[in-house]
Amino acid sequence: AQSVTQLGSHVSVSEGALVLLRCNYSSSVPPYLFWYVQYPNQGLQLLLKYTSAATLVKGINGFEAEFKKSETSFHLTKPSAHMSDAAEYFCAVSDVDSSYKLIFGSGTRLLVRP
Amino acid sequence: SQTIHQWPATLVQPVGSPLSLECTVEGTSNPNLYWYRQAAGRGLQLLFYSVGIGQISSEVPQNLSASRPQDRQFILSSKKLLLSDSGFYLCAWSVQQGIYGYTFGSGTRLTVV
Repeated sequence: AQSVTQLGSHVSVSEGALVLLRCNYSSSVPPYLFWYVQYPNQGLQLLLKYTSAATLVKGINGFEAEFKKSETSFHLTKPSAHMSDAAEYFCAVSDVDSSYKLIFGSGTRLLVRP
Repeated sequence: SQTIHQWPATLVQPVGSPLSLECTVEGTSNPNLYWYRQAAGRGLQLLFYSVGIGQISSEVPQNLSASRPQDRQFILSSKKLLLSDSGFYLCAWSVQQGIYGYTFGSGTRLTVV
């Protein structure tokens, strides 16, 4: 069965530091992969998606993620954290085995210290 | 452009009262529609999804039900709310299921007291 593991329920970085949020997935077929961001009391906003084109995907707000099939990973990075990046981030996978329904990870809350 | 509307934004209801949350999508036809719940400190739980009018699939047995009376309208209901129904409810839509991702509404914060 498909699953998504997000390592670290909370990640804390200093403003200006590298952001790295980890996501590993399990899928026996080529997956579609997504990162979403959620600010308090708001819905989820799509940051970026991998749909079998380029393995390095650039998204909004300076975020990017790299699909690594050999590691079954899709980690989210940003070179320099901004205070406005503080939010919860969700990784998700879909494939033909899940009838293309999105399977979400448990989320990682990013804290940005001034 | 496509938009998704969800209301109300917040709701406080007593235990045992009924519930009706509504979600509508504009600017597209025949969307796939989804209801998710986020309980405090927990992830996203898919409750229901629908691929067409009157077609509802339930992912988790519970005190809730869903209906799709029109192509772009999705309603989440309960006859009698429980304390455990408290949470943040999110509606979402997609085309071709999850291939391009989902677009989420702004959510409803439900507190059952």
